[in-house]
Amino acid sequence: EVQLLESGGALIQPGGSLRLSCAATGFNFDMYAMNWVRQAPGKGLEWVSAMTDRGDSTFYADPVKGRFTISRDNSQSMLFLHMNSLRVDDTAVYFCARRGWLSFYYFDVWGKGTTVTVSS
Amino acid sequence: DIQLTQSPSFLSASVQDRVTITCRASQGISRYLAWYQQEPGKAPKLLIYAASTLQSGVPSRFGGSGSGTNFTLTISSLQPEDFATYYCQQLISYPYTFGQGTKVEIK
Repeated sequence: EVQLLESGGALIQPGGSLRLSCAATGFNFDMYAMNWVRQAPGKGLEWVSAMTDRGDSTFYADPVKGRFTISRDNSQSMLFLHMNSLRVDDTAVYFCARRGWLSFYYFDVWGKGTTVTVSS
Repeated sequence: DIQLTQSPSFLSASVQDRVTITCRASQGISRYLAWYQQEPGKAPKLLIYAASTLQSGVPSRFGGSGSGTNFTLTISSLQPEDFATYYCQQLISYPYTFGQGTKVEIK
């Protein structure tokens, strides 16, 4: 079964750091670009970051640029999000998502999410 | 960045109603548009990609249309399990922005 499973969410103080993980199973992980998407409580979806299949390019949303770093380990089928200088407005459920393609792109596989709460 | 504006933000409808949600892009995105359904407390689910292609396993009452800047998601006959929030997303360029969402509730 194709599956993504996030972990690493926690309650953390402002200014702190956290690393989220996403374990992929059931597909050839190294053939897909991967993404992080977040959702603040009661709010909509916000794309956060992406990494190409080979890990040679990364992309970030402006609110996290310079603070978050995406990485992957294709040998372990793992995606990571390293989060530094966390702010209260980073509080959200963080989803990892696979970018599929058939001439056009889409996010066809999503994890269940992991919750990050930034609060003093 | 490309902005996506969904309308309406909230929709009240009855079972078997025909429902239409629109998504307007701030610049042309060809057909690089996807629609997702999200139930409370769950991950989003892909419904439609390439503006009009139904994802495998999604009921045929869901349909998408449009190209360029104007897009539509239609549910031909609303079912009880369709009451959820719907999002459009553009995937032509980073950042891959989402619309603000349309919540479909039971009238």
